[in-house]
Amino acid sequence: EVRLVESGGDLIQPGRSLRLSCVASGFTFDDFAMHWVRQRPGGGLEWVSGISRHSSETGYADSVKGRFTISRDDARKSVYLQITSLRPGDSALYFCARDLNSDYSVRPFFTFWGQGTQVTVSS
Amino acid sequence: SYVLTQPPSLSVAPGETARMTCGGDEIGVKSVHWYQHKPGQAPLLIIYFDSDRSSGVPERFSASNSGHTATLTISRVEAGDEADYYCQTSDSPRDPVVFGGGTKLIVL
Repeated sequence: EVRLVESGGDLIQPGRSLRLSCVASGFTFDDFAMHWVRQRPGGGLEWVSGISRHSSETGYADSVKGRFTISRDDARKSVYLQITSLRPGDSALYFCARDLNSDYSVRPFFTFWGQGTQVTVSS
Repeated sequence: SYVLTQPPSLSVAPGETARMTCGGDEIGVKSVHWYQHKPGQAPLLIIYFDSDRSSGVPERFSASNSGHTATLTISRVEAGDEADYYCQTSDSPRDPVVFGGGTKLIVL
């Protein structure tokens, strides 16, 4: 059974940093691209970032470019999202999702999702 | 950037058919995927590559894609189908993931 479990969400002050983690099980983690998708309060799904197999490529939504960094550790079957200079607009439920393919940027879509980790940015 | 447009909500009585649209410029030449998202749960891929059902998804769920509109159809709607439904496609490597705004299906 495929499982994705996110963690690291918190109530945090604006301007600070946070690292989200997602641990995978039930599939060969190395073979697949991984993504982060968020849902802001009252909003829809919004793609945030993706990373290809072997960390060969990464990509970001324009709204987070320069502040978010995605990475993966295949030995730990984990993908991470480092968020810096947090803003209230970053408050959201952050989902980890597995791609069908190994390249995050080639017609991606999301075959499995975690249940998300909540980030709330407030002073 | 590419835009997908979904109506915010759709109300359907149990047993009826729900048709949810996803509009986009020449969307018919792109692959469209559909997700079901219930509160407190992980989103679920229900349809991929325009019309292929994910494993375990009932045959009541079907979809099509042509011209400027992709459509998700749920036949014989049940109370358990109440959820948000999102369409998604890919525009280019620079804009790899585009979601529609989502349609909230309300079962009366």
